[in-house]
Amino acid sequence: SAVISQKPSRDICQRGTSLTIQCQVDSQVTMMFWYRQQPGQSLTLIATANQGSEATYESGFVIDKFPISRPNLTFSTLTVSNMSPEDSSIYLCSVDGGGAGETQYFGPGTRLLVL
Amino acid sequence: EDQVTQSPEALRLQEGESSSLNCSYTVSGLRGLFWYRQDPGKGPEFLFTLYSAGEEKEKERLKATLTKKESFLHITAPKPEDSATYLCAVQASGSRLTFGEGTQLTVNP
Repeated sequence: SAVISQKPSRDICQRGTSLTIQCQVDSQVTMMFWYRQQPGQSLTLIATANQGSEATYESGFVIDKFPISRPNLTFSTLTVSNMSPEDSSIYLCSVDGGGAGETQYFGPGTRLLVL
Repeated sequence: EDQVTQSPEALRLQEGESSSLNCSYTVSGLRGLFWYRQDPGKGPEFLFTLYSAGEEKEKERLKATLTKKESFLHITAPKPEDSATYLCAVQASGSRLTFGEGTQLTVNP
C-alpha cells in the first residue's frame, strides 16, 4: 500500500484567509482524491485529481472555493479559499491505482479550525 | 444515487463479547465494498475489500461478508484496542467512494 503524508497536520486560521494543504505519496499513482470530514460526520468527496488534467469536482464543491493542483504523479495540493467557520473540518487525501474496485488508501488528514 | 447506511451508530461491548456491524447499500453496479477503521484524529485505515455476493474475508478478530444488499463486519472476542469508528464505503461508477456514517465501537475491558 502507498504511504501518504499531508502537511500541515493541523492549523488554526482566521476567517477570510486561505490555506493550502499538501499531499505527498511515496509512489506514482494515477488517481488522487480529496475528502472532507466535518465534525462527527463521515467522509464526503470534494474532487478527483488526475495528473495533467483539471480536477473533477463533486456536486456542492466549486473550483473557486477549493482549487486543486496535481503537478505530477506523487503530489497534489488542495486550497481552502476565503475560509469561514463552516470550513472547519478534517481534510483527507487518498490515492488508488485507477482500476475498477481498487482500494483507496488515505493520508493522516489535516485538521482545520477556522475562527 | 448511491446510498450507504450503517447500523448501529454506536455499539458498546464488553471485552470478549462478539457482535456484528451492518452496512446496507443501494448502488447501480457495485465495483467494490470497502471497510475501514478510523481512530480519533487519524485517517481511515483500510481493512477489507469485497467484490461479489458470498465473498468473505478475515483478519485477526474481524470477518467481513457481503450479500447483494448488505455487508457485515463480524468482531469475534473483541479487545479494547478494537475500539474505533468503522466505516463502510461502496464504489460504483468511476473511482469515487460513497461512505456511510460509520459505527463507533467501544470495547470495555
